[in-house]
Amino acid sequence: GQNIDQPTEMTATEGAIVQINCTYQTSGFNGLFWYQQHAGEAPTFLSYNVLDGLEEKGRFSSFLSRSKGYSYLLLKELQMKDSASYLCAVRVSNDYKLSFGAGTTVTVRA
Amino acid sequence: EAQVTQNPRYLITVTGKKLTVTCSQNMNHEYMSWYRQDPGLGLRQIYYSMNVEVTDKGDVPEGYKVSRKEKRNFPLILESPSPNQTSLYFCASSLWEGERETQYFGPGTRLLVL
Repeated sequence: GQNIDQPTEMTATEGAIVQINCTYQTSGFNGLFWYQQHAGEAPTFLSYNVLDGLEEKGRFSSFLSRSKGYSYLLLKELQMKDSASYLCAVRVSNDYKLSFGAGTTVTVRA
Repeated sequence: EAQVTQNPRYLITVTGKKLTVTCSQNMNHEYMSWYRQDPGLGLRQIYYSMNVEVTDKGDVPEGYKVSRKEKRNFPLILESPSPNQTSLYFCASSLWEGERETQYFGPGTRLLVL
């Protein structure tokens, strides 16, 4: 099976920066996704990395190192609305399956 | 409006009574998939489809069937539901632009099997 690990919970202060790490051990690799999911809602797409390096999109950035099996999602200038669960998912090559980590619940405090 | 729709949004049923959850997308996406989400386990892929008449198993396909007779629809079928299939179900479709993929999720279907 695929193994994707991310911390269960993180807490940060409004205006601060939080980094959510994701490590993976999979039988192949064909891209890594980050999603945001508010309680009771569907996941929404944040980022997709298939090559090493940093991808920046507004307040959110995602980094990938394929050789280390590691990614992080960086949330800057935190806002209360960023309180949500953040899901890391890896698309395994050859069969296009998508495997998710259990998610990281981020709580933003005033 | 580009979207993925699922019906029903909420369903209570009894063990053994066949049910179908519909999924439809209006974005002409080729790739569609079904997931279930359970507390502490995260999202797990049930089935996926690369195109019409092409489907394959995800990580947890037991007890489920799917079909892809047309590009826009990807129904999930539970022939004989059991209580362990009580879950939150999401359908999704993907846009591919070169090697970049963006996945769009439907609003979810909450299923309770008694």
